[in-house]
Amino acid sequence: DAMVIQNPRYQVTQFGKPVTLSCSQTLNHNVMYWYQQKSSQAPKLLFHYYDKDFNNEADTPDNFQSRRPNTSFCFLDIRSPGLGDAAMYLCATEGLAGNEQFFGPGTRLTVL
Amino acid sequence: EDQVTQSPEALRLQEGESSSLNCSYTVSGLRGLFWYRQDPGKGPEFLFTLYSAGEEKEKERLKATLTKKESFLHITAPKPEDSATYLCAVKGGSEKLVFGKGTKLTVNP
Repeated sequence: DAMVIQNPRYQVTQFGKPVTLSCSQTLNHNVMYWYQQKSSQAPKLLFHYYDKDFNNEADTPDNFQSRRPNTSFCFLDIRSPGLGDAAMYLCATEGLAGNEQFFGPGTRLTVL
Repeated sequence: EDQVTQSPEALRLQEGESSSLNCSYTVSGLRGLFWYRQDPGKGPEFLFTLYSAGEEKEKERLKATLTKKESFLHITAPKPEDSATYLCAVKGGSEKLVFGKGTKLTVNP
């Protein structure tokens, strides 16, 4: 089945220790998104790619970076995680029609 | 700025007790209103897209409706497996999804 896959599902890191989350898709969608979702909060858009064009949200901290080496894969790098970065990180894709976004299962990040 | 407000924040129903969830929105140039279901510890699962006032869509026990200011998700004769958080989102001229905080639905057997 075509899908959005995120690895790992759970990630524990230490304060200040860099971490990378990955997302892959078999939908061949042009657009990929990264969201941060904290408990009982709405998903918050961090950035998105339209093909290889990177679009950063104005309020996304510099601590967060992203890479998209090809259509299928996208990575979220957190250079120096703080306690406030503990959250669920969601990857989503969208086709050219823009009818809906398909979400992966998420990566739950814990910062010790 | 596009905004979405969902109410109530939490809703408890008995199995078979029908009800509605509300999503009020303000958006510049509505491109679509989306409903998602999110189970604990999982990513949102797409349910419906509505594009214009008066539009309705149904899926099993769920029915979504849209006016110019709000959308309702009607749940008819819910079952315990319908328990989840239901998220509403709008897409406007910015082409980005703006989500509400969701309504946490609990259906007791």
